[in-house]
Amino acid sequence: SQQGEEDPQALSIQEGENATMNCSYKTSINNLQWYRQNSGRGLVHLILIRSNEREKHSGRLRVTLDTSKKSSSLLITASRAADTASYFCATMNSGYSTLTFGKGTMLLVSP
Amino acid sequence: DAGVIQSPRHEVTEMGQEVTLRCKPISGHNSLFWYRQTMMRGLELLIYFNNNVPIDDSGMPEDRFSAKMPNASFSTLKIQPSEPRDSAVYFCASSFSLVGLPGRVYNEQFFGPGTRLTVL
Repeated sequence: SQQGEEDPQALSIQEGENATMNCSYKTSINNLQWYRQNSGRGLVHLILIRSNEREKHSGRLRVTLDTSKKSSSLLITASRAADTASYFCATMNSGYSTLTFGKGTMLLVSP
Repeated sequence: DAGVIQSPRHEVTEMGQEVTLRCKPISGHNSLFWYRQTMMRGLELLIYFNNNVPIDDSGMPEDRFSAKMPNASFSTLKIQPSEPRDSAVYFCASSFSLVGLPGRVYNEQFFGPGTRLTVL
């Protein structure tokens, strides 16, 4: 069964706008990771946030983690057409060493 | 580094035929994962190897699926006999993880480009 559930399933914005995607999960985690998948390609790792971290930045990406609410958000600032892709959150459960992926958010950034 | 290499990129076969997918992980990585992606079920973990040893194969759908990792630089996923419902994109991923130690370290996974399998 899916551990991470992304919201929304699809998001359409204009270039320059910010895009926010959310992820909820059910069990305790070791870390949470976000991946991007361009159409027809493999997944590319974007950012990892550990369970004892609350916020992390990487370039135009900002990830937050709220373990009390079992949720995370990915913010892409000043979006570009090249950001068009599917974005997946993946959780690594405490005591395990595998990732469980959500079904993803499809982001469309229009020029 | 060439990244994770998978072959073939596309495979079209007929029901009942044997299919073998291949993966070369990134050099130095000690964990290898096989995933299957479909529209209906999303991305599912099939099997996971650590130091060439299968650790968790609970995601393998049924006995028709088998995976091997004879050495640190090569793994195969075999489907025999194949069925139309096996049609999907199969991804291999690798990572370096320190498992079983105090203060375990789990790092990001690096995915290959995938093999698109169509079973007619």
